[in-house]
Amino acid sequence: AQSVTQPDIHITVSEGASLELRCNYSYGATPYLFWYVQSPGQGLQLLLKYFSGDTLVQGIKGFEAEFKRSQSSFNLRKPSVHWSDAAEYFCAVGARTDSWGKLQFGAGTQVVVTP
Amino acid sequence: DTEVTQTPKHLVMGMTNKKSLKCEQHMGHRAMYWYKQKAKKPPELMFVYSYEKLSINESVPSRFSPECPNSSLLNLHLHALQPEDSALYLCASSQDTFGKGTEAFFGQGTRLTVV
Repeated sequence: AQSVTQPDIHITVSEGASLELRCNYSYGATPYLFWYVQSPGQGLQLLLKYFSGDTLVQGIKGFEAEFKRSQSSFNLRKPSVHWSDAAEYFCAVGARTDSWGKLQFGAGTQVVVTP
Repeated sequence: DTEVTQTPKHLVMGMTNKKSLKCEQHMGHRAMYWYKQKAKKPPELMFVYSYEKLSINESVPSRFSPECPNSSLLNLHLHALQPEDSALYLCASSQDTFGKGTEAFFGQGTRLTVV
């Protein structure tokens, strides 16, 4: 069965420290991969996406993600977090074989930034 | 303009009321989506419209009725809701459906409370 796993429900990080959020997927073929961020009570904002090509993807707000086919992973990183990065982060996956638009979300990782 | 606009931002309705949620985009996108999101959970797909035709209905109860009057507008008509339907309702749009390698843009959501 297809699945998306974000192993960390909650991460606390100090301001200025680095951040890495994990995402693993189980799909028959390499899917389309996305990272979204959601501030409390707000909609989702796309941070970055992977469709094909370079496996290191740069996104907005200083985020990057690396696609590793061998590990079925698409981990999100930021070298130095800011207090404004406190939010919920969702990894999302879309099957290349699905032309009808089912985007599957991971459970999310809550990021707390301490001073 | 990469904006998806949802109105209203907040809605409180009784179980016998009829109300509608509205979603608008002017990016020329041909796929539009309704998601439901409960607190501390990822978004759950409800409906997908592709080229103004309903493509996916994820077994949503008939008290939710989607409508796509034109390529820029998506409505969700609500009738006889239950308190458990209280949630954040998110609209999204994409150039085409995800299986064709497009990204989704989300609105800020409508916070619905059923009393």
